[in-house]
This record gives sequence, structure tokens and C-alpha cells, in this order.
Amino acid sequence: GQNIDQPTEMTATEGAIVQINCTYQTSGFNGLFWYQQHAGEAPTFLSYNVLDGLEEKGRFSSFLSRSKGYSYLLLKELQMKDSASYLCAPMDSNYQLIWGAGTKLIIKP
Amino acid sequence: GAVVSQHPSWVICKSGTSVKIECRSLDFQATTMFWYRQFPKQSLMLMATSNEGSKATYEQGVEKDKFLINHASLTLSTLTVTSAHPEDSSFYICSARVGDRGPNYGYTFGSGTRLTVV
Repeated sequence: GQNIDQPTEMTATEGAIVQINCTYQTSGFNGLFWYQQHAGEAPTFLSYNVLDGLEEKGRFSSFLSRSKGYSYLLLKELQMKDSASYLCAPMDSNYQLIWGAGTKLIIKP
Repeated sequence: GAVVSQHPSWVICKSGTSVKIECRSLDFQATTMFWYRQFPKQSLMLMATSNEGSKATYEQGVEKDKFLINHASLTLSTLTVTSAHPEDSSFYICSARVGDRGPNYGYTFGSGTRLTVV
């Protein structure tokens, strides 16, 4: 079957760095997305990885290892507004996004 | 960037009535629109995939007669919840794929519709 595994909740301090890990199992693979979702709002796009390695975009970076079925999202210089859920969503062979429950990130001053 | 406009943002309706949710792609053509439902603290659940000019494809367990999807143009897709009941209360979100593969590849989401059936 298809499965996404992310920590349910993480806590970090403002200004610090946090890494959110994601392991996945899908029927085929056509890349992996990371989305941010604030409570009561729709997800917003953060990153897309299709090749192994690190993609850096400002304070956010995303890493992918296809052989390990593993990805992580790295958030630097954390700000209070980064408190949200972070969704790891691989895309299967039918180009369908597979969603997990996401990781709720709590930022403390 | 690519924007999907979703309306209404929230709606309260009486049990047994129908509610229509609209999603419009504002600056691109959305050949395919995905409709999701999300219950509190749960993951996004794909309900159906709509393709312009053809019948929607529903996920297993989703009643197509209850959740009517129309995708009559490349910029408009609608979801109608018919004979709504309290258990249909949820957050409904539409999404469209944008861009070719590359830096701008991704899915853009509507702002979501909070449906409460009383």
C-alpha cells in the first residue's frame, strides 16, 4: 500500500533550525512536494523534489533520497509565523498526490 | 503566479439543502481540478478528480450522486453537496496542477470552503 510517515508534532524555538522528516512508500514515484498549512487554511506550496539531493529556497530547504524513500524539510531562522502544519506529499505513478496527516510545528519565543 | 479562487469561504446550511462550491483558475487553464475534503487534524482526502468536458472520477467510498462535480470550462469547476447532512460538515478544498515539470511545477490550492451543516 501507499504510506506516509511524519512526526505528528514538533516544537522549536524562534530563531532556531528544525528538520521535519518524512518517509514514504508509493506505487511508483514522480516527485515529492512539501506544503505548509496554517490552521483553517488551504495548503501553500513550499517545494518540489524529483531528483536526489538538496533544494534550497530561502529559509526553507528540502532534501530527497529516492532509494531510501526519505525526504526532509529544513527550516532555518524560525519565525513565529512558521507555526503551521507541514505536509509531505509524494506523487505516485498516476501523478496523484499521496497525503499524510502532516507535522504540526509549534514555535516558541 | 497561478491562482485558484474558491467561493464561498464558509457556508452554514440546513440539513437537507444543497450547497455549491466554485473554483476558478484566474490566470491559467485548469484542465484537471482535484477536490479534497479535510476533517480536523486529519490529512487531505481526495474525493474526486474532474477533467474539463468529461465526467469526474470519484475515489472509492465517495458518493457521486451526493457530491456532484461539474467542470464545464477550463477555468471553472464546481462541487455541489446535495442533501447535506451534519456529517458532511468539513473543509473542502480544490486544487489544480500548474506548470510543466521544472521549478514552477506544483499544485495550487483554492482557499478552501468551511461547510457547516446544522
